[in-house]
Amino acid sequence: GAVVSQHPSRVICKSGTSVKIECRSLDFQATTMFWYRQFPKQSLMLMATSNEGSKATYEQGVEKDKFLINHASLTLSTLTVTSAHPEDSSFYICSATEGGLGNQPQHFGDGTRLSIL
Amino acid sequence: DAKTTQPPSMDCAEGRAANLPCNHSTISGNEYVYWYRQIHSQGPQYIIHGLKNNETNEMASLIITEDRKSSTLILPHATLRDTAVYYCIVRVEVNEKLTFGTGTRLTIIP
Repeated sequence: GAVVSQHPSRVICKSGTSVKIECRSLDFQATTMFWYRQFPKQSLMLMATSNEGSKATYEQGVEKDKFLINHASLTLSTLTVTSAHPEDSSFYICSATEGGLGNQPQHFGDGTRLSIL
Repeated sequence: DAKTTQPPSMDCAEGRAANLPCNHSTISGNEYVYWYRQIHSQGPQYIIHGLKNNETNEMASLIITEDRKSSTLILPHATLRDTAVYYCIVRVEVNEKLTFGTGTRLTIIP
């Protein structure tokens, strides 16, 4: 089945550091990728929709200048958490879908656990 | 997208069939029912989806009622590795977004 790879799986860094997370679709082209965030004991919350070759669409309440998204190719989207602070510590998960049809399932990466000290 | 309602938790004995219900009474004609599961500290895993017919794959079966207001995910022979949070999501065909609710925490008991 479709595979989505996310890297790194875990990051621990100091407050004020910027962190980049990569999301790759390994065996299909993804015109659209999604970034989610999940806090402990909570469900996944969509942060933004990443469209290849255009600007990302952010959900209400998500700061676009803090969470920079780049989708430069059909197989790669990156999320950069700029000047990260302890409250940004969370589990970040990306997903991708194979095509434009709405009945295609999204496939998820294994997530990146970000810990800001 | 229509809202879904799931029980917060369920237990099932290992080797038995696990039946996970989902209510989606406000579903509209162009909305699909999707099921995902999330094992602790991993990304969600796609299980199955359907529009109005029952569906079966190597992981599970999806039974959708005739009025489409509810559905049941069936894991035919549950194993300990099926312990996870199961999410039932309704999604409009042209809207690729997935809105996750709180899901059902399924625990398989040895």
